[in-house]
Amino acid sequence: EDQVTQSPEALRLQEGESSSLNCSYTVSGLRGLFWYRQDPGKGPEFLFTLYSAGEEKEKERLKATLTKKESFLHITAPKPEDSATYLCAVQAYSSASKIIFGSGTRLSIRP
Amino acid sequence: DVKVTQSSRYLVKRTGEKVFLECVQDMDHENMFWYRQDPGLGLRLIYFSYDVKMKEKGDIPEGYSVSREKKERFSLILESASTNQTSMYLCASSLIQGIRNEQYFGPGTRLTVT
Repeated sequence: EDQVTQSPEALRLQEGESSSLNCSYTVSGLRGLFWYRQDPGKGPEFLFTLYSAGEEKEKERLKATLTKKESFLHITAPKPEDSATYLCAVQAYSSASKIIFGSGTRLSIRP
Repeated sequence: DVKVTQSSRYLVKRTGEKVFLECVQDMDHENMFWYRQDPGLGLRLIYFSYDVKMKEKGDIPEGYSVSREKKERFSLILESASTNQTSMYLCASSLIQGIRNEQYFGPGTRLTVT
C-alpha cells in the first residue's frame, strides 16, 4: 500500500536556526513527490515537485531533496513568516492523477 | 497564475439539508478534486474528475456526490448533511502535461453542520 509519513509532527525553531523536515514514502513506482505549504485556515500552496532520486529544488530559504525512500525539506536561516504546516505528497505511476498526502509538519519560527 | 476559487469560505448548515459546494478553476485543467481536511486525519480524497461528466470515487465518497458539467467547474454535493461532515473542504485542479501533475488548491470552505 502506498504510504507517506512525515516527521516530526511539530518543530519549533528560533529565527535563523536551520533544520530539516523529513518525508518517508513507500510507493509502487514513484511518478512525483510534491511539497506544499499550508497556512492556518487556507488551502495548501504548491512549492516543489521532485521526480527522481538525487534531484534538488530550491526556493528562497527552502531546498527539497529526494532519495529512493525519502525526501527532505531543508530550511536555511528561517524567518517567522516561514511558520506554516508543510505537507508532503506522492503520486504513483498507477494512480491516475491521485496523490497521497502525509499528515504534515507544523513549523513554528520564534523571532 | 493558476487560480482555483471556491464559492464560500464559511458555511453553516442544518442536519438534513442539501449542501452544494462549488469550485471553479481558470487554467483549463483536466483534473479536479475534492478533499476534506480534519485535524489528525490529514487530507482525504472524496471524489475526483478527469474530464467533463467523468468522475471517480476517492477514499471517502460515502454521503457525497459530485457534478462536472463544464471543464472549469466541479461541484460537491452533500445530499443530506450530517454533523460528521463538519470539516474543511478543499478543491484542487491539475494539468495533464507530460510528467507534470502537481495539484493547485482553492482557499477552502469551512463547513459546519449543526
